[in-house]
Formats: sequence, C-alpha cells, structure tokens
Amino acid sequence: GAVVSQHPSWVICKSGTSVKIECRSLDFQATTMFWYRQFPKQSLMLMATSNEGSKATYEQGVEKDKFLINHASLTLSTLTVTSAHPEDSSFYICSAKRTGMGGYTFGSGTRLTVV
Amino acid sequence: DAKTTQPNSMESNEEEPVHLPCNHSTISGTDYIHWYRQLPSQGPEYVIHGLTSNVNNRMASLAIAEDRKSSTLILHRATLRDAAVYYCILNSYTGANSKLTFGKGITLSVRP
Repeated sequence: GAVVSQHPSWVICKSGTSVKIECRSLDFQATTMFWYRQFPKQSLMLMATSNEGSKATYEQGVEKDKFLINHASLTLSTLTVTSAHPEDSSFYICSAKRTGMGGYTFGSGTRLTVV
Repeated sequence: DAKTTQPNSMESNEEEPVHLPCNHSTISGTDYIHWYRQLPSQGPEYVIHGLTSNVNNRMASLAIAEDRKSSTLILHRATLRDAAVYYCILNSYTGANSKLTFGKGITLSVRP
C-alpha cells in the first residue's frame, strides 16, 4: 500500500511554454503533499507544501507565480511550471503524507528538460 | 528542524553487513529518526524510522543511541541493489504541515 504515482516521468519542453506534473496517491488519502526539486549531484530541496482545498505554502526563494500548485482533491496535486526556462530543468519529486499517519511516500520523479 | 550529520560516502562489499552512522546531537524529545534512500533517477524510498527503541523491518535495522544523539542504519547483507544515497532525517510530525528536510545524505557503494 501507500503508492504515489507521478506523471509524466520525463518531459522535454520549449523555453517559454508551461508544463504540468501530476502527483496522485493511489491507495490512500493525502491531506498534505510536498513538491521537491533536485539538481544533479545535489539533495532534494523542498519547494512547497500543498494542502487539499487551500493555497500552497512555498519555501523561501520559490516563486509561487512560476510554480503553480493545485491540490484539488485528497488524491491529486499538480505542479505547473509556467514560462519554463532552461534553468528550470531539474528532477521534480512529489511526496504525500497519509492522512492521520506520519509516513511519507514519494513519487518516482519527473525529469524536466527545457530546451 | 534539528540537523543531522552523515559521512559523505561509504563503500561495502556485497553480502556483508553495512553500518551507516548519523549524528543528531540537537535532536528534540519529539523528533523521530527517519531513514530514506534514493536510487539513481528515482524518488526517495522509505527505509525505517524510530523514536527511542531499536527497530527492525524487512529492509534494515535502526539502532538508536541511549541519549538519542546518534543512530545507525544497519543493512544486514548488502546487495548491489542497495547502492544508493541514504538520508537520515529528523521529523517531529508536529502540525499538519510537518515536512521532511533532506541533507546531503551518504552515498553507499557496494562492491561485487
């Protein structure tokens, strides 16, 4: 149990376009989901925390207008990278926390390449 | 969040036990000790977590010092598939938005 599906696993987009990444909890409800970004050879950096039905909380230095997060249901959160630029190329990973429990489950990640 | 300190890397031989240390001298009474690992090009995977007592599961064992200022993740028989970055993280689960903050982790290499 506790499976998080992230889609797509990789995407290539042109500079200036927007890309949407989906994160779904398949077999549990996730009140809270987290979005991370990871550059090569570096650790995961938390970008934002999203709660179902409310606005996301962004970490310092993360542009909320550029990285739009929507958590419309207890099983789905989306991250949209707007007006993507090559420096946004990275590995994006979501995580879901099971409602009422402390465990965290991670998606398999999305490799974004902006050309 | 209280910080953890891990060596940068460690090498082991296949089928031998591996002990991965973690120091967390500023741990608070409500902090759980979590271990996650990340294989190349994948999201992190839960390994084990504990509060005060040693813990065992099918993947590993977690040995927690009596003063809780350090812990050790034990892989009983390393396999090539255990080669990954292992993260030791403290989390108190306080509040609905309690989050995992990742450090640099320790890179485990396994020799055949």
